[in-house]
Amino acid sequence: EAQVTQNPRYLITVTGKKLTVTCSQNMNHEYMSWYRQDPGLGLRQIYYSMNVEVTDKGDVPEGYKVSRKEKRNFPLILESPSPNQTSLYFCASSLWDKETQYFGPGTRLLVL
Amino acid sequence: GNSVTQMEGPVTLSEEAFLTINCTYTATGYPSLFWYVQYPGEGLQLLLKATKADDKGSNKGFEATYRKETTSFHLEKGSVQVSDSAVYFCALGGGTSYGKLTFGQGTILTVHP
Repeated sequence: EAQVTQNPRYLITVTGKKLTVTCSQNMNHEYMSWYRQDPGLGLRQIYYSMNVEVTDKGDVPEGYKVSRKEKRNFPLILESPSPNQTSLYFCASSLWDKETQYFGPGTRLLVL
Repeated sequence: GNSVTQMEGPVTLSEEAFLTINCTYTATGYPSLFWYVQYPGEGLQLLLKATKADDKGSNKGFEATYRKETTSFHLEKGSVQVSDSAVYFCALGGGTSYGKLTFGQGTILTVHP
């Protein structure tokens, strides 16, 4: 089954404790992206990757890191989480033309 | 930069009512336009898309037409069902914002029997 998976689905952590949210797709897509969803703000793009070893900032990259060492994986790293990073996070992937993005189920993060 | 503005929600309708959710955009170049839907507890999924002016996207009874002259991409459905209750997002991508997708704030739709 073609899908985008994210882990964990739910995470509660404390300020400053490094965490990684994994994202994996099995569709051989070139393009992958991370978004955060906050009430009243819709989805905002954090980082995206056009292919292996090619990443770029989206609209809200501060406090986040990403890497793309393999085509299928695109982890999101929070080196020192803060409460304002409490949000619902989505990973998405698509073919190079980005016309149709496939979203993962989401990761709900609470930073205390 | 690019931006997308959706009508304020939430929207509450009775089953079989007509639905319109307004979406206007600001962009440079020639972006593609999308409507995504998010059902409760799930990720987003593409509902329909249009890649150039005057294109009409359609799926599951929903339609939207890419209007360059009014910079709009309004979502319509002639007869909504309870199962259409979800959050709807208008989005744009491409054009000069290569690699970036910009979403509106989302509109919550609730359909009552």
